[in-house]
Amino acid sequence: QKEVEQDPGPLSVPEGAIVSLNCTYSNSAFQYFMWYRQYSRKGPELLMYTYSSGNKEDGRFTAQVDKSSKYISLFIRDSQPSDSATYLCAMSGRTLFSGGYNKLIFGAGTRLAVHP
Amino acid sequence: KAGVTQTPRYLIKTRGQQVTLSCSPISGHRSVSWYQQTPGQGLQFLFEYFSETQRNKGNFPGRFSGRQFSNSRSEMNVSTLELGDSALYLCASSPRAENTEAFFGQGTRLTVV
Repeated sequence: QKEVEQDPGPLSVPEGAIVSLNCTYSNSAFQYFMWYRQYSRKGPELLMYTYSSGNKEDGRFTAQVDKSSKYISLFIRDSQPSDSATYLCAMSGRTLFSGGYNKLIFGAGTRLAVHP
Repeated sequence: KAGVTQTPRYLIKTRGQQVTLSCSPISGHRSVSWYQQTPGQGLQFLFEYFSETQRNKGNFPGRFSGRQFSNSRSEMNVSTLELGDSALYLCASSPRAENTEAFFGQGTRLTVV
């Protein structure tokens, strides 16, 4: 079982739709949770960063973390064609083989296409 | 503030050659990590350096190596290149020792022919 599971999609939605992207994880030691957006042939860009459980909002983006269910979500409101990209979840914490240090673990990424 | 800078952006090498990629982290960041990204495998962790010490290493063969200098700049080296090493190599820097979040460069696209 992978430490972080993320549906690779692709997910296709019409412009203006609310998009929900999700990841599940197995390691309860994860404390820091991130969402990245990656456009084709570019490096990932940090979108949202959350510590522990709760919600965080930034413009059209809302990140949710439910540590009891080991489940994180990213919601995009009023989606735009410019949101078409791959979205990667990531989390940081001590893993079995991380030598006592936090290690960033990434999901596989979900490809999102927003069509006009 | 300048972001993470990776050089070169593109590289074409022949099987059997070696290659060195460079990464300059965001000023003040002491943690630098390297990742390999391919369409089939996604983001694969290579190694992480903090204050010139390798703290974590992924499951890659010994042909992949790295180092970090006292100014936090990092290099990774791949020797005896194979066709399967063709990928986007990404460097990321973190502002804290706890690796709470990472900021990526644009990557070096390596093609092995």
